[in-house]
Amino acid sequence: DAMVIQNPRYQVTQFGKPVTLSCSQTLNHNVMYWYQQKSSQAPKLLFHYYDKDFNNEADTPDNFQSRRPNTSFCFLDIRSPGLGDAAMYLCATSRGWGPGIYGYTFGSGTRLTVV
Amino acid sequence: DQQVKQNSPSLSVQEGRISILNCDYTNSMFDYFLWYKKYPAEGPTFLISISSIKDKNEDGRFTVFLNKSAKHLSLHIVPSQPGDSAVYFCAANYGGSQGNLIFGKGTKLSVKP
Repeated sequence: DAMVIQNPRYQVTQFGKPVTLSCSQTLNHNVMYWYQQKSSQAPKLLFHYYDKDFNNEADTPDNFQSRRPNTSFCFLDIRSPGLGDAAMYLCATSRGWGPGIYGYTFGSGTRLTVV
Repeated sequence: DQQVKQNSPSLSVQEGRISILNCDYTNSMFDYFLWYKKYPAEGPTFLISISSIKDKNEDGRFTVFLNKSAKHLSLHIVPSQPGDSAVYFCAANYGGSQGNLIFGKGTKLSVKP
């Protein structure tokens, strides 16, 4: 089945040690999004790629970077994770920019723990 | 500043009864609204949407109502089933069905047998 896959499901990293989360999709969607969701909070958009065009949200910390080497893969790099970066990170895709009539397709998320 | 608010963190309903989940928004520019459902250890899945040109959209047991003057929408589930137990997120954007989604914090629905 076409889907959005996030690896790993759970990631533990040390304070200040760079970490990379990955997302892949078989939907051939143009747009890929990264959301951060902290406990009991709303998912918050960090950035999105429309094809190769990178779009950063104004309040996304510089500590967060992203790469999209091809249509299928998108990576979230956290250069120096702090304790406040512990969260669920959700990857989503859409055919065009925005949810369209079918909404985004989300992956299962990666829960990041910083120790 | 939260633009999409789900003020009830949790809701408990008996199986077979109606579940009503509420959502308020502050940005009058929003013109497209969606509901997502999320089970533990899974990503959110799209449930139903409504455009601001409508005040109701129905899909099986799920109906979304939009009251633009009150900046309020609600999701009705009738009849509720134990499998509906999940966290429900309200989301909104502007630009029709384009543009980035803004999510609420979610409401955890528990449907008891």
